[in-house]
Amino acid sequence: KAGVTQTPRYLIKTRGQQVTLSCSPISGHRSVSWYQQTPGQGLQFLFEYFSETQRNKGNFPGRFSGRQFSNSRSEMNVSTLELGDSALYLCASSPGSLLDGYTFGSGTRLTVV
Amino acid sequence: ELKVEQNPLFLSMQEGKNYTIYCNYSTTSDRLYWYRQDPGKSLESLFVLLSNGAVKQEGRLMASLDTKARLSTLHITAAVHDLSATYFCAGDRSGGGADGLTFGKGTHLIIQP
Repeated sequence: KAGVTQTPRYLIKTRGQQVTLSCSPISGHRSVSWYQQTPGQGLQFLFEYFSETQRNKGNFPGRFSGRQFSNSRSEMNVSTLELGDSALYLCASSPGSLLDGYTFGSGTRLTVV
Repeated sequence: ELKVEQNPLFLSMQEGKNYTIYCNYSTTSDRLYWYRQDPGKSLESLFVLLSNGAVKQEGRLMASLDTKARLSTLHITAAVHDLSATYFCAGDRSGGGADGLTFGKGTHLIIQP
């Protein structure tokens, strides 16, 4: 079955711009979460959506936002990009129950110049 | 707040040897996960551990969970070069993932012939 699909795979943006990343979860998965991975901070939780509702958000500034659509696809948006936003952004999907794990997508590598 | 600590952070070992990666966590975690990441790639799920005493094995890798000690271990038996990767453990505080995963810093494992 198809895995978690993230687009685009690579992105180069300039400071001050904004960016939108997309994630299509595994069919039937209703939970989508986003993570930022950097060499310095490691893997950090951004936010999680379930049935179009944000259930929790990590410790990131308001420039980071997201949403989930009725088909469970999710987008995250970063406004006013800073150099420190350069990272690998990973999306994970899960059916949402206690017994299930998370499947991660291949990620979007964002470089801010 | 859940904190996850892995050790060692870097491990170089020879093929054929056994070794264990340790993962300590600070507060109750509903589930404990182990992931593998190859350079430039996404996270591959290895194990999901749900309860105290849980032990799971896949090939040369075995993971266990002791909730009383708040400790999980990933044991590598007779290591082979293909197991070279970064291994992460992660916990989550609520079933279903609403609070997201909290990751350790990862153990960078190099297996030399």
